[in-house]
Amino acid sequence: GQNIDQPTEMTATEGAIVQINCTYQTSGFNGLFWYQQHAGEAPTFLSYNVLDGLEEKGRFSSFLSRSKGYSYLLLKELQMKDSASYLCAVLDSNYQLIWGAGTKLIIKP
Amino acid sequence: GAVVSQHPSRVICKSGTSVKIECRSLDFQATTMFWYRQFPKKSLMLMATSNEGSKATYEQGVEKDKFLINHASLTLSTLTVTSAHPEDSSFYICSARDSLAGEVDEQFFGPGTRLTVL
Repeated sequence: GQNIDQPTEMTATEGAIVQINCTYQTSGFNGLFWYQQHAGEAPTFLSYNVLDGLEEKGRFSSFLSRSKGYSYLLLKELQMKDSASYLCAVLDSNYQLIWGAGTKLIIKP
Repeated sequence: GAVVSQHPSRVICKSGTSVKIECRSLDFQATTMFWYRQFPKKSLMLMATSNEGSKATYEQGVEKDKFLINHASLTLSTLTVTSAHPEDSSFYICSARDSLAGEVDEQFFGPGTRLTVL
């Protein structure tokens, strides 16, 4: 079956760095997405990786290793507004998005 | 960036009534739109894939006669929850795929519709 695993919840301190991991087992791979979702709102796009390596975009970076079925989202200089759920999703061989359950990130002052 | 709108943003209805939710891509054409529902503290669950001009493809366990989807144009898809019951109360989110998108097969999400059935 298809499976995406990410931690349920993480806590970090304002100004610090946090890494949210995602491992996946899917039928085929056509890219991995990270989305941010604030409570009660729809997800917003953060990043897309299809090749191995690190993609940096401001305070957020995303890393992919296809051979290991592994990705992480790195958030630097954490701000209180970064408190949200972070969803990992993989595009499978049928170009369907397979979603992880999301990681709730709690930022403390 | 591409914008997807949903209407209404919030709806409260009585049990047994039908509710229509609209999803529009405002500045791009979307041959494919997706409908999701999300229960509290759960991940998004794909309900169906809506293709312009053809019947929607429903995920296993989703009743197509209860959740009617119409994708009549390249910018509009509608989801009608027929004979709604309290267990249908949820957050419904649509997303659209830009038909002319380049390498990134990104989905653009609408803001969601909170349905409460009394």
